[in-house]
Amino acid sequence: DQQVKQNSPSLSVQEGRISILNCDYTNSMFDYFLWYKKYPAEGPTFLISISSIKDKNEDGRFTVFLNKSAKHLSLHIVPSQPGDSAVYFCAASARNTDKLIFGTGTRLQVFP
Amino acid sequence: DAGVIQSPRHEVTEMGQEVTLRCKPISGHNSLFWYRQTMMRGLELLIYFNNNVPIDDSGMPEDRFSAKMPNASFSTLKIQPSEPRDSAVYFCASRLEQDFEAFFGQGTRLTVV
Repeated sequence: DQQVKQNSPSLSVQEGRISILNCDYTNSMFDYFLWYKKYPAEGPTFLISISSIKDKNEDGRFTVFLNKSAKHLSLHIVPSQPGDSAVYFCAASARNTDKLIFGTGTRLQVFP
Repeated sequence: DAGVIQSPRHEVTEMGQEVTLRCKPISGHNSLFWYRQTMMRGLELLIYFNNNVPIDDSGMPEDRFSAKMPNASFSTLKIQPSEPRDSAVYFCASRLEQDFEAFFGQGTRLTVV
């Protein structure tokens, strides 16, 4: 049972445009969400997070939006750069457990 | 700190052999996670420890898989006997209990032939 889902396995965006990566979750107990970025042959690295008490968190070119009623979050990257090309994982956690559950990932390619 | 250290980086073994993957978490972190990355399931949580105690191993696929954390600075994931379908990249991650961000190692690419 996949509690965190990323339905788009890949996304291709032109440099300078906006990249939007989506994530859905099923467990209403999740109260903290994270995005990780992964380059080939490396471990995932933390990118940005959001608590369930917020609906938006911004860090430079990266913004995460949370829609609790729809159990949906998205990561916006603007403007997209070729160095953003990587696999992006959405993750969710609940404060009453230590579990950190990841989605299946979306491969983003930013082309010139 | 050197971050989460995993060894070996690559492992090629024959079907039926025992495989042991190793992880050294970041010093001071008290939660440790083992994940397996596959195309179909993404980063799949296998097991996690809190203060060296296994808390949830419901993600361990079969009895062939076992994990231990004998102390705060070392954990192992063992597969015995290994099968070709176990081929994947295995990641270890650690974090402070009160934080949500987990830090990952570089992974072990396991190939079972």
